Amino acid sequence: ETGVTQTPRHLVMGMTNKKSLKCEQHLGHNAMYWYKQSAKKPLELMFVYNFKEQTENNSVPSRFSPECPNSSHLFLHLHTLQPEDSALYLCASSQQVPGLAGGYTDTQYFGPGTRLTVL
Amino acid sequence: TQLLEQSPQFLSIQEGENLTVYCNSSSVFSSLQWYRQEPGEGPVLLVTVVTGGEVKKLKRLTFQFGDARKDSSLHITAAQPGDTGLYLCAGAGRAAGNKLTFGGGTRVLVKP
Repeated sequence: ETGVTQTPRHLVMGMTNKKSLKCEQHLGHNAMYWYKQSAKKPLELMFVYNFKEQTENNSVPSRFSPECPNSSHLFLHLHTLQPEDSALYLCASSQQVPGLAGGYTDTQYFGPGTRLTVL
Repeated sequence: TQLLEQSPQFLSIQEGENLTVYCNSSSVFSSLQWYRQEPGEGPVLLVTVVTGGEVKKLKRLTFQFGDARKDSSLHITAAQPGDTGLYLCAGAGRAAGNKLTFGGGTRVLVKP
C-alpha cells in the first residue's frame, strides 16, 4: 500500500467518449503528477501540480485535461482520444521541499495506474 | 535519443544467478533513483544515489553511481523469482530540466 489510489484500474473507451481518471493521495504531500507509460517508451511526465497550481504541462494534447481541486485529489479528464493514447496512466505524489535544487526530484510515490484502452 | 539509456531491455535468468542492469547517459545528474515496477502496479522506489562513486546495498541489491554522475548500475546477487519486474532508473538535475526523467526500463524475469 503506497498511499496513492487510482480509479478505475481499467478503462475501455471509444474515441468519442468522455471519461475521467481519479487519483487520491493519503500521504499529506503537496505535489501530484500524471505520467503516461506506453509499451516500448519511457515513462513520460504529463502534468505537475503543486499546492493545486499547475506547474508543468509537458506539451500534452488538449484532449487531456487535468484538474486538481485540492492537494489530495487529481483528475485527468479525457475526451476524443485516439487509439495511440492507449497506455497505463500513473499518478504520483511527493513532498516538494521549497528551495531544494531540482524541485521535482524528491521521492515520488506512485499509484497502481489506470490501464486505458481506446478503441 | 533518450536521455537515459538502460541495458539490457530484457533479461531472463535462472534463480540463483547474478545479474546487472545498466543506466547510462552522456549528461550529468545531481541524483539518480532506481524503481521496481511489478505487473499491475506503479513503480516503487528502491534507492536514491547522490554522490559520484557512491555504492548502496539493499539486501541482495547493490547500486552504484558512476564517479562522473553520468551512469549507474544495479547488481542483484543470487536472484529470486520475487526479483522479477521492470527496473527503472530515473535521473534528476539540470540535464533533466529539473524534472525526474526515466530510462526505458529493463524487464527482468527470474525463473524458478
